[in-house]
Amino acid sequence: DIVMTQSPFSLAVSEGEMVTINCKSSQSLLSSGNQKNYLAWYQQKPGQSPKLLIYYASTRQSGVPDRFIGSGSGTDFTLTISDVQAEDLADYYCLQHYSSPLTFGSGTKLEIK
Amino acid sequence: QVTLKESGPGILQPSQTLSLTCTFSGFSLSTYGMGVGWIRQPSGKGLEWLANIWWDDDKYYNPSLKNRLTISKDTSNNQAFLKITNVDTADTATYYCALYNNYFDYWGQGVMVTVSS
Repeated sequence: DIVMTQSPFSLAVSEGEMVTINCKSSQSLLSSGNQKNYLAWYQQKPGQSPKLLIYYASTRQSGVPDRFIGSGSGTDFTLTISDVQAEDLADYYCLQHYSSPLTFGSGTKLEIK
Repeated sequence: QVTLKESGPGILQPSQTLSLTCTFSGFSLSTYGMGVGWIRQPSGKGLEWLANIWWDDDKYYNPSLKNRLTISKDTSNNQAFLKITNVDTADTATYYCALYNNYFDYWGQGVMVTVSS
């Protein structure tokens, strides 16, 4: 199984600041066939179901604000949220969909000061 | 517009079988490449993938639940199903179904399931 190590566990920032969330996979998520990294990022607001933010490591889902940026390749990935807004209060998860069993990171709780 | 909605028993007793239904619209599970997955989340904890089923009836399961899972579909009625046998308190969670098209891009609202004697 591919283990996803996500950090930090939680962070608290003020509106307007930038945050980075990291996910490290135990194996490469880069497909040699299509050069895509099979890594997605999700946002889960309190009391809601997860929402897709980023797929293939860096492609923003339609309607997601451009302050959400996914980067990385191979085994190391980052979700950057620039100009954090109060509405970004949520848990964030990475997901590797490179191989079965699909595995999620343990989550990062973003709090707004 | 893609929508998914989960339904289940709410509460059941240890050793019983949990049966969940995902009713969806806006896509067809007979379309090439489409899949539906089940994911669960204990209260206050993280996400755990359980199983996927594809348009061609291919199925993948999380081996951590060994042989307790069965996923199936009814294409004509736009439904997918998940059964978990021999439940115990550790299966208490919110269960989500989601459209899988290389990743989970649309999720249902989730259904809470409590296992208690």
